[in-house]
Formats: sequence, structure tokens, C-alpha cells
Amino acid sequence: AQSVTQLGSHVSVSEGALVLLRCNYSSSVPPYLFWYVQYPNQGLQLLLKYTSAATLVKGINGFEAEFKKSETSFHLTKPSAHMSDAAEYFCAVSKSGGSYIPTFGRGTSLIVHP
Amino acid sequence: IAGITQAPTSQILAAGRRMTLRCTQDMRHNAMYWYRQDLGLGLRLIHYSNTAGTTGKGEVPDGYSVSRANTDDFPLTLASAVPSQTSVYFCASSLRTGPQETQYFGPGTRLLVL
Repeated sequence: AQSVTQLGSHVSVSEGALVLLRCNYSSSVPPYLFWYVQYPNQGLQLLLKYTSAATLVKGINGFEAEFKKSETSFHLTKPSAHMSDAAEYFCAVSKSGGSYIPTFGRGTSLIVHP
Repeated sequence: IAGITQAPTSQILAAGRRMTLRCTQDMRHNAMYWYRQDLGLGLRLIHYSNTAGTTGKGEVPDGYSVSRANTDDFPLTLASAVPSQTSVYFCASSLRTGPQETQYFGPGTRLLVL
């Protein structure tokens, strides 16, 4: 079975600082990996996804993530945080074969200070 | 295009009552899903449907039932609500079934069972 672990339920950064949200996955076969964002009182929306093409994936709003097989990681980064980035971020993993439906991590709340 | 709509937006329900959460999508997506979101637990899959006429159980199906009579609608029913079903419920859809598919989420239904 696949799983994801998001390190840190809360991450706090200053506006303009680097954003780093950590995600490690467990999968017995090559995974597909996703980052979703949830703004307050809204549903989730896709930020970016890795589907075995380029290991560095660029998403919306200046976010990107790098698939590192050796580290089983898919960390999300953004060079400069904006106040509007304050939200809940979810990492998810899925795989071919068996159940295709992604498994979500527990989420990381990003807090951006002025 | 509205995407996914959910109703009601929020509800307070007495324990033991029956409740149906509605979900409608206008994207002609084949697959639909129901998740519950609880603080610290992330999203957990309740039920899913790969295509109209078929349904399957997710991680936490007990106490819930679904039907998929047509492509657009995927209602979730709580036969006899209990306080542990207090949660935020999200409906989602994807164009196809498959591990690389993006899920599109509705705005959620906030349910309080007393």
C-alpha cells in the first residue's frame, strides 16, 4: 500500500521568505505524486503533479516540487512567500495497479507573517 | 461551467436522523469520490464510483452509502447519523480512472451531528 508523510502540521514563514513543505512517500512501485492546496472554506485544487516525466515539476502560483527517488521525497517549494499563499497543503500519492485512487497526507498549514 | 456543486453548505443534524449530502458535476467526468476531512487526519476516502452504475468502498465506508444512477450525481447518505460523523465532507471527480488523474473538488459540506 502507498502512503505519504508530511513533516510538520504547521509551517510558519515571513512574507518574502522561502517556502519548503516536506512530503515523503512510500510505494512499492513507481508513484504518481500530487500537491493540492486548500484555501480557507474551499475545496482542494491541484498545484502540481509528477507523472514520471521531468523530475522537477512546476505548478501554479510559482510553486514547484522535485521528485527524488533516492530520498522517496516530493518536497514543495516557492522562492518567495506571499500572504496569499496562506493555506492548507496536501501531498498525495497514487500508483498503477490495484487501487488507483490517491492516498492523501494529513496536510501542512502554511502561515505567512507580514 | 460550475464544476462540482455540493448541498447543503452546512447542516446541524440530530443523532439518529437520516441525511443525504448532494453532489453534482457538470464536467461529464466518469469517476466520482466522497471524502471526509477531519483535523489532523487529512482526507479519508469514504466511497467512490468509477463510472455510472458502479460504486466501491473506500477507507472509512461504515455508516455511509452511495449511489450513482447517472454520470452527474453522486449522493452520500448517512442512514442514522452519529456524532463521530461530524466532519467536513468533500465530493470530487476525475475525468477518467487512473493514478495520474487530477481530482476536482467541490466546496464541501460542513456537518455537525449532535
